Amino acid sequence: DQQVKQNSPSLSVQEGRISILNCDYTNSMFDYFLWYKKYPAEGPTFLISISSIKDKNEDGRFTVFLNKSAKHLSLHIVPSQPGDSAVYFCAATKGGNTPLVFGKGTRLSVIA
Amino acid sequence: NAGVMQNPRHLVRRRGQEARLRCSPMKGHSHVYWYRQLPEEGLKFMVYLQKENIIDESGMPKERFSAEFPKEGPSILRIQQVVRGDSAAYFCASSPPRGGYTFGSGTRLTVV
Repeated sequence: DQQVKQNSPSLSVQEGRISILNCDYTNSMFDYFLWYKKYPAEGPTFLISISSIKDKNEDGRFTVFLNKSAKHLSLHIVPSQPGDSAVYFCAATKGGNTPLVFGKGTRLSVIA
Repeated sequence: NAGVMQNPRHLVRRRGQEARLRCSPMKGHSHVYWYRQLPEEGLKFMVYLQKENIIDESGMPKERFSAEFPKEGPSILRIQQVVRGDSAAYFCASSPPRGGYTFGSGTRLTVV
């Protein structure tokens, strides 16, 4: 029973274009959502987050959109750079110190 | 301020041996979480600890696995009588009381 789903295992994008990574969740108790970036042989690194009371959060080239009614969030990276090539994990939590629930990840390849 | 330190980075054990994974949280962080990542999977929550207390172990297998976070010293994840299916990357994260995870680089356990 996967509560956080990333249905695209991989995505390939040209440098300079927009990368859109999608994530769906099933548990309506989740109220905080995060995106992590992970390089091989390293731990996940926090990228950006959004609270359920918002529908958009922006930080530089990264924007996260939340559609609560659809239980869907997306991460937009624009413009995409080769250094963005990594595995991106969507995670959700019920807030505070409750554990994160992760999706399986999407491997992004940005081609120069 | 050093990040979350995990050691060893790589651990090879024969079937039936014990594996001990260590995690030193960031300075000022009193909460520790252990996650496991199987190949081609997302990170799965195992256990959440505060100093000398297990807060949530709902993700931990009932047998062979145990975790502790003593008053002094690192958090330890212990796997007794390892089997091939225990081969995975084990990540530790720490947070201050108000939340906000930082992950370590992980321990890659290989059972031969």
